[in-house]
Amino acid sequence: NAGVTQTPKFQVLKTGQSMTLQCAQDMNHEYMSWYRQDPGMGLRLIHYSVGAGITDQGEVPNGYNVSRSTTEDFPLRLLSAAPSQTSVYFCASSPRGPAQEKLFFGSGTQLSVL
Amino acid sequence: AQSVSQHNHHVILSEAASLELGCNYSYGGTVNLFWYVQYPGQHLQLLLKYFSGDPLVKGIKGFEAEFIKSKFSFNLRKPSVQWSDTAEYFCAVNAADYKLSFGAGTTVTVRA
Repeated sequence: NAGVTQTPKFQVLKTGQSMTLQCAQDMNHEYMSWYRQDPGMGLRLIHYSVGAGITDQGEVPNGYNVSRSTTEDFPLRLLSAAPSQTSVYFCASSPRGPAQEKLFFGSGTQLSVL
Repeated sequence: AQSVSQHNHHVILSEAASLELGCNYSYGGTVNLFWYVQYPGQHLQLLLKYFSGDPLVKGIKGFEAEFIKSKFSFNLRKPSVQWSDTAEYFCAVNAADYKLSFGAGTTVTVRA
């Protein structure tokens, strides 16, 4: 059982480039989410989804887009990368949501924007 | 806006010492409370959680936490730490559906 898989593990972008961070889970979880982790600021919620076709914004959604076409996948898109988006990104999922059950986290993607 | 405050940024202690990490939150309504831990090179994982009932909750690896509603606090404790407890610890609060807010984290270094 793979759990939550994130790709790539590392990425370097130039300002203005676009890219997609991939997240997939094989546990049939309805809830999926993206966080960014920055030193001294902990994890901040970017976007989340409560099921296929349903997404909503978290604390820091600006500069990021998401979609949820299947239960398994929840990609995070950076349309025009900025140095302020340099961070470690975590995808997390749970059966129904973070209030009811624990979150299962991926291993993270370390992104640098130059 | 809801916030979660962790008092210590970095704690260094020796094996067998006792550990207490502070966590306070700002939301006044009903909350669900969590401590997550990230060991070096590993995924974030749940240490313990509080939803209701006994305010003293026990988690994995000998950790416990006490919910004090009047102080808006959920402090994490372990009576005797081991070198393997070296990790980053995050307090998290759920006060709104589907949103979990994390504190800034506390890095704990246990010296052998």
